[in-house]
Amino acid sequence: DGGITQSPKYLFRKEGQNVTLSCEQNLNHDAMYWYRQDPGQGLRLIYYSQIVNDFQKGDIAEGYSVSREKKESFPLTVTSAQKNPTAFYLCASSIAPSETGFENEQFFGPGTRLTVL
Amino acid sequence: QKEVEQNSGPLSVPEGAIASLNCTYSDRGSQSFFWYRQYSGKSPELIMSIYSNGDKEDGRFTAQLNKASQYVSLLIRDSQPSDSATYLCAPCSGGYNKLIFGAGTRLAVHP
Repeated sequence: DGGITQSPKYLFRKEGQNVTLSCEQNLNHDAMYWYRQDPGQGLRLIYYSQIVNDFQKGDIAEGYSVSREKKESFPLTVTSAQKNPTAFYLCASSIAPSETGFENEQFFGPGTRLTVL
Repeated sequence: QKEVEQNSGPLSVPEGAIASLNCTYSDRGSQSFFWYRQYSGKSPELIMSIYSNGDKEDGRFTAQLNKASQYVSLLIRDSQPSDSATYLCAPCSGGYNKLIFGAGTRLAVHP
């Protein structure tokens, strides 16, 4: 059963704590992405990775960190430096851009809802 | 700053009618465009992709693209209450499959 899994579904964090959100995919996709969604807003890109051991900052990377040690896994750490971390976090994956130059669709996991207490 | 603009809605249509969702984008270099549907509290799911100017039909959905006008739309024919959701427009911008998302249009289909 192919897909993207994220855990936990709900996460509560005390101020000053670091927390790590898990994202795993078995679709054999090269690229993986992390987004943040706030109520009534679109998705904003935090980090993305096109290949193992390589990743790039997105539009709102401050206060976050990632690693890509395996093709299947792309965990996101929300650090204490992130001032307003309460949000819905979405992980996505896609195959690499095609040789024709057209980009390919991203598929999303179910998300993790993070709340800071 | 690359932007994607969508009417936030809610767009209210009666069951069986055509729902028309519109999106404009600022990056003239965008070549690939995607529409996602997001139910409340859930993650986005892909419903349409379009790469060339013109129309692309898939079942009750038709995506329309006009790159010269930087405009992309989604038509939903024979709207059903189950179509009630937020629809996100996402052009690809900057390569590497990077999507820029609009804030979405909330669609409400009433019986």
